Amino acid sequence: SYDLTQPLSVSVALGQTARITCGGNNIRDKNVHWYQKKPGQAPVLVIFRDSNRPSGIPERFSGSNSGNTATLTISGAQAGDEADYYCQVWDSSSVVFGGGTELTVL
Amino acid sequence: QVQLQESGPGLVKPSQTLSLTCTVSGGSISSGSYYWSWLRQPAGKGLEWIGRVYTSGTTNYNPSLKSRVTMSVDTSKNQLSLKLSSVTAADTAMYYCTRGNWFDPWGQGTLVTVSS
Repeated sequence: SYDLTQPLSVSVALGQTARITCGGNNIRDKNVHWYQKKPGQAPVLVIFRDSNRPSGIPERFSGSNSGNTATLTISGAQAGDEADYYCQVWDSSSVVFGGGTELTVL
Repeated sequence: QVQLQESGPGLVKPSQTLSLTCTVSGGSISSGSYYWSWLRQPAGKGLEWIGRVYTSGTTNYNPSLKSRVTMSVDTSKNQLSLKLSSVTAADTAMYYCTRGNWFDPWGQGTLVTVSS
């Protein structure tokens, strides 16, 4: 089975840049999607197909995918960006999620 | 704008079958050639994909749950349904329905507790 590895937690100072990684074997060959999950709320898609932002998602959210690592970048992190973030891919007609990363904005 | 709403019993007894419905509004469930998925999140844990169903009835299930899962679509009611049999406490979770290969939008979720 295909595995995705995310750091358990990432901290960033208010207004600085946060980078959340998602590691997988040759992940560059897959489309990576990212979700934001806040307590008591449904997940929200923030990046699809590696680097595309859905309408309504702020420009400070961006994504990249190269080699064995996909990265979600939040430029100018705000207090409201505190959440868990999950990466997701498809593998053999099944979904794989990373374990999730808790983002703390200091 | 398409909206999704999950519904069903909030409490299910162990060994019984969990049954949930997702009602789609703001658009036809048959339009756009989308797959519709069910996911869940136990408290304090990560997201888990349960499976997906196409409007034709074609399904794909998470291999770890495949033996217990049944999904279907009722296009006349604009609804999809999930049945999970032989539930245990490990199936206690928030359950979500969503659309597409990248999941968007999502329903607000419904909490299902498995307990006697």
